[in-house]
Amino acid sequence: DAKTTQPPSMDCAEGRAANLPCNHSTISGNEYVYWYRQIHSQGPQYIIHGLKNNETNEMASLIITEDRKSSTLILPHATLRDTAVYYCIVRVVGGAGGTSYGKLTFGQGTILTVHP
Amino acid sequence: DVKVTQSSRYLVKRTGEKVFLECVQDMDHENMFWYRQDPGLGLRLIYFSYDVKMKEKGDIPEGYSVSREKKERFSLILESASTNQTSMYLCASSSWTELRETQYFGPGTRLLVL
Repeated sequence: DAKTTQPPSMDCAEGRAANLPCNHSTISGNEYVYWYRQIHSQGPQYIIHGLKNNETNEMASLIITEDRKSSTLILPHATLRDTAVYYCIVRVVGGAGGTSYGKLTFGQGTILTVHP
Repeated sequence: DVKVTQSSRYLVKRTGEKVFLECVQDMDHENMFWYRQDPGLGLRLIYFSYDVKMKEKGDIPEGYSVSREKKERFSLILESASTNQTSMYLCASSSWTELRETQYFGPGTRLLVL
């Protein structure tokens, strides 16, 4: 799976949009971009994923550049409860068995702190 | 909603003890995973299983074994606990039938080995 680079920490004011960048310059054509977050003392939580097109769900939006070498997770109206470590992961999806399918490789992530 | 539960939130064991960490999921997922999480090292995959009685080594399997006798249950076993196995252990499950193969995580077990 391709490696990702994220800033170690970011701050955001409550109610404002939080834009979290991720670089994945060695991403392959069959690798998806996933975002998870981990709130303190809890297990990681899935947020969103995408391949080429921008994606939006009830939690966030994902913007992937045309060359797919970077992406941005957008939390449109950050709240204090969004304070967490955000992980950007790229991986292959699909197929049964094998040693790499299904595996998530978590990097260090970005610590997002939302301030009142 | 998918639910992944782990047998304990906190556990204290002595060096040399055999330790069992249990994980149960209620969504009929084929795949189950065990990770450990340590400060500065992120999450690291220990073992995973994509079917009953099947297991695959992850990145750091040494000192651990696993058991998957039933589809919903995946156990992590520390045969002889050591202090360097003090960590947060996270279980997850996913399904091939879901296009996004989202992994759903349990709340974690914080293990302290004295």
